[in-house]
Amino acid sequence: ELKVEQNPLFLSMQEEKNYTIYCNYSTTSDRLYWYRQDPGKSLESLFVLLSNGAVKQEGRLMASLDTKARLSTLHITAAVHDLSATYFCAVVRDDMRFGAGTRLTVKP
Amino acid sequence: SAVISQKPSRDICQRGTSLTIQCQVDSQVTMMFWYRQQPGQSLTLIATANQGSEATYESGFVIDKFPISRPNLTFSTLTVSNMSPEDSSIYLCSVEDYTSGFYEQYFGPGTRLTVT
Repeated sequence: ELKVEQNPLFLSMQEEKNYTIYCNYSTTSDRLYWYRQDPGKSLESLFVLLSNGAVKQEGRLMASLDTKARLSTLHITAAVHDLSATYFCAVVRDDMRFGAGTRLTVKP
Repeated sequence: SAVISQKPSRDICQRGTSLTIQCQVDSQVTMMFWYRQQPGQSLTLIATANQGSEATYESGFVIDKFPISRPNLTFSTLTVSNMSPEDSSIYLCSVEDYTSGFYEQYFGPGTRLTVT
């Protein structure tokens, strides 16, 4: 059974600092997604990673995928308050399984 | 990208009653999914709904409790039957879309259900 582990679960960051969220999964997968969820809102798709070595960047967020290590990272560069949200990774094999989510708070 | 709407957006229901949640997509999609997100938790897949076939339920979810309809390629319903307070959650509809040249999965705005 596909299991997805995400860490840390909670992340309190200072503005302008860098940090990384990790997503490990237990079996081979077809693709990996990163989503953002603001309180009381639905999920917003950030990235879809399809192959080993894939790297995608949007603004201060960069996601990468290492299929051999079964690891994806979401790197946050020079955090700003607007990035405060919960971030989920989700892995697709036969269906989509979610990590537990990382609740990110960016403080001034 | 697929645009998904859900009705109702929220509801407060009494235990023992049932609620049907509707999911409408602005384009034809093969795969539709129903998820549950309990407060402060991650998303759990309830079932996969494909048009023209019975829904496929995940472990811990059964058709009698969560009957699903998928009458066409743009619409699905999820019913939460004989509700109890433990069913209080956000229920999200999701679709898989391939129009970008790869599989994207989009989520509806969710239905926030409170059972008293």
